[in-house]
Amino acid sequence: GNSVTQMEGPVTLSEEAFLTINCTYTATGYPSLFWYVQYPGEGLQLLLKATKADDKGSNKGFEATYRKETTSFHLEKGSVQVSDSAVYFCALLFSGTYKYIFGTGTRLKVLA
Amino acid sequence: DTGVSQDPRHKITKRGQNVTFRCDPISEHNRLYWYRQTLGQGPEFLTYFQNEAQLEKSRLLSDRFSAERPKGSFSTLEIQRTEQGDSAMYLCASSSPPPGSGANVLTFGAGSRLTVL
Repeated sequence: GNSVTQMEGPVTLSEEAFLTINCTYTATGYPSLFWYVQYPGEGLQLLLKATKADDKGSNKGFEATYRKETTSFHLEKGSVQVSDSAVYFCALLFSGTYKYIFGTGTRLKVLA
Repeated sequence: DTGVSQDPRHKITKRGQNVTFRCDPISEHNRLYWYRQTLGQGPEFLTYFQNEAQLEKSRLLSDRFSAERPKGSFSTLEIQRTEQGDSAMYLCASSSPPPGSGANVLTFGAGSRLTVL
């Protein structure tokens, strides 16, 4: 079946450190891929997305590239800030459908 | 627009009681979704409305669960005869149809946390 696997957290980094959160997927077909972020006390919100292979999504300094050959969509940021502390969810969605499949989420803690 | 609103934010109830959650989506969104999130897991799809029509229900939704969206605006999710296994965060999200073949991006509410004692 279709699924998303994320690295377990929490990930704890110092401010200005480099961030990578791994995400791999299993899918029959070619879904769109997403990163959603959930800040404390708030709803999930879209961080970035990519709809086809080799697309790079980017937002707020975060980037992720849709890699079909490795079925991955790893999230990266060159220099994290305390305000990036949140839970990050990788997800997939097939075109023309509405049912997301989410990973388990990765909690990021950034220390000043 | 204040985004997707959910009420209550936290409900504590005793096993066997009924609970109801309300979701107010973004006004121009005709699509509404309910997801459930348990500790350490990602959101799992429960049900989907397009306007007032409930188009899909997950197998996760037992007969004790019912969702409505009577006028195509707000939605309610009712759980009857609650069980301890129902303890979770219930998330509501809304969206409008994506342009062309674009991806369907959801706007989530902050969730309603249910604790069944």
